[in-house]
Amino acid sequence: EIVLTQSPGTLSLSPGERATLSCRASQRVGSSYLAWYQQRPGQAPRLLIYGASSRATGIPDRFSGRGFGTDFTLSINRLAPEDFAVYYCQLYGSFPRTFGQGTKLEIK
Amino acid sequence: EVQLVESGGDLVQPGLSLRLSCITSGFTFGDYAMSWVRQAPGKGLEWVAFIRSEAYGVTPDYAASVKGRFTISRDDSQSIAYLQMNSLKTEDTAVYYCSRVSYYYDSSGYYIPGPNDYWGQGTLVTVSS
Repeated sequence: EIVLTQSPGTLSLSPGERATLSCRASQRVGSSYLAWYQQRPGQAPRLLIYGASSRATGIPDRFSGRGFGTDFTLSINRLAPEDFAVYYCQLYGSFPRTFGQGTKLEIK
Repeated sequence: EVQLVESGGDLVQPGLSLRLSCITSGFTFGDYAMSWVRQAPGKGLEWVAFIRSEAYGVTPDYAASVKGRFTISRDDSQSIAYLQMNSLKTEDTAVYYCSRVSYYYDSSGYYIPGPNDYWGQGTLVTVSS
């Protein structure tokens, strides 16, 4: 079973800055079956990125994903107030469809 | 507009059962896989169960933590997904989210079930004596 480890646990930044979130897999992820989700307080998760680098429908281009194999990154340019939330990565190419433990992006 | 609405969450004693429903609209339900994901209070997301579309045999998969106790099913005629939860434990306490899973062609040309692209707002299950 592949384990996903996200870092940092908490990231403190100011609006307008750039955020870089990491997701590391314990084994190679085939064909980049890696997704990223955003969860705002009191809300359901929202799909941001799939296939490691493809943006989901309606997601602004400030959000970008990259990575291959075991190391994946979500970048958010020019942080907007609504971007401060918890972010999760997920493996979906096999079972279990594991989530990382999450990174909380908070306002500095 | 794609909509998923969960219901059935409740306070239940350990050892008992509960059935969650996910009523969907705004898309052709039978073309999609469905999944349940839960979130314990103050914790992260945990994948629980998955069911393929009819074209792929309506076969399920489960997290190890619920296998043998939970059963996912679907009614394509009513566009509803279900999660039957038996032998509930206190550690099953969580908000349970229903989500849609789209199939797509990956970079190698394989048609695979992708990520969870639409989610409901969740239903709270509390297991306590």
